Amino acid sequence: QVQLQESGPGLVKPSETLSLTCAVSGYSISSGYYWGWIRQPPGKGLEWIGSIYHSGSTYYNPSLKSRVTISVDTSKNQFSLKLSSVTAADTAVYYCARLYPYYYYMDVWGKGTTVTVSS
Amino acid sequence: EIVLTQSPGTLSLSPGERATLSCRASQSVSSSYLAWYQQKPGQAPRLLIYGASSRATGIPDRFSGSGSGTDFTLTISRLEPEDFAVYYCQQYGSSSTWTFGQGTKVEIK
Repeated sequence: QVQLQESGPGLVKPSETLSLTCAVSGYSISSGYYWGWIRQPPGKGLEWIGSIYHSGSTYYNPSLKSRVTISVDTSKNQFSLKLSSVTAADTAVYYCARLYPYYYYMDVWGKGTTVTVSS
Repeated sequence: EIVLTQSPGTLSLSPGERATLSCRASQSVSSSYLAWYQQKPGQAPRLLIYGASSRATGIPDRFSGSGSGTDFTLTISRLEPEDFAVYYCQQYGSSSTWTFGQGTKVEIK
């Protein structure tokens, strides 16, 4: 059974960099699929942040592209998100997910982690 | 960038009734790349439908998807108590980006 688990600081100061990691179990990242990050501000809808293919190719939301970096560490079977210059608008629940190629849907999700941007 | 607009924003229905949710795209979307998700409070979204009309593993057959081009529909034939939730459509575009609609809340009338 494939499982994803997000981890990282729950509180980040404005202007700093948000860093999260998604640990994958039950499946080897290097075997295929895309891996992605999605966020949900309090009381709002879902926003795709970016995705990375198992080969390392990255794809980012144009509205966040200048601040986002997604990377993969196959040796640890995990992938990571960095979001720089955060503001209060970046406060959200952050989810990691597995994205199925060919149809490009998100079939496995982590439980999500809440990140608050505040001084 | 393709924008997905879901309607209505809120649907108030009783258990046993039929729910029809709409997802309209600002330009044509490949049916292969249109998915629907269900989200309950405090939980991650769950995949319901992919390829516009294929049910994901373990999804009851009261859930069905249809549509093509710019108009897609999620239908719940008979609402069960556990179906009251927020539903999102999602598409994958030619510029290698993913977008979600703003969601439709199905609430108990």
